Amino acid sequence: QTVVTQEPSFSVSPGGTVTLTCGLSSGSVSSTHYPSWYQQTPGQTPRTLIYNTNTRSSGVPDRFSGSILGNKAALTITGAQADDESDYYCVLYMNRGISVFGGGTKLTVL
Amino acid sequence: QITLKESGPTLVKPTQTLTLTCTFSGFSLTTSRVGVAWIRQPPGKALEWLALIYWDDDKRYSPSLKSRLIITKDTSKNQVVLTMTNVDPVDTATYYCAHITYFYSSGSYYFDYWGQGAGVTVSS
Repeated sequence: QTVVTQEPSFSVSPGGTVTLTCGLSSGSVSSTHYPSWYQQTPGQTPRTLIYNTNTRSSGVPDRFSGSILGNKAALTITGAQADDESDYYCVLYMNRGISVFGGGTKLTVL
Repeated sequence: QITLKESGPTLVKPTQTLTLTCTFSGFSLTTSRVGVAWIRQPPGKALEWLALIYWDDDKRYSPSLKSRLIITKDTSKNQVVLTMTNVDPVDTATYYCAHITYFYSSGSYYFDYWGQGAGVTVSS
């Protein structure tokens, strides 16, 4: 059973920079997992942020960026704003059409 | 403009079969590189990928739920249906359908448009 790992929670100060990561319980994440990232505020539908590791979805500000850092996928938010306070989910493509969500990171901006 | 909307029962009894319908507009499931996925989220928990159907009727299922899921499409109605058999209280969740864009070069895809979600409670 493939487990995608994310930090359960993270906090950042307004205006600060934060990097959330997405790993595998066994093995390394690479660009061939085509990581994507989604933002979800409580009670709302997920919003697509990043796909194919580092491509921003339409309308997503450039302070959101994706990358591979070491053996994990990463989502970096620069100049954090109050409305960035959300849950963030990564998804890894595991080939043969199967995708797996991570457990999500609850980001607090304070 | 692409929109998707989930519909189905809000309450289902354990062991029953759950049928959810995703009705969409703004795209056709006969167009290549397109698909519709189902994703669910139990209360207070993480999102979970369930199933996917591609424009060419190819289908994929979560390995852990594969024996209980069936996904089908009706292109004339612009609908995708997810059937889940033998439901249990742990299947209580908000169920989302999402439009996917597929990349031929890699075989990968991502979820680019989401429905508003449909809440389902499994309880006797």
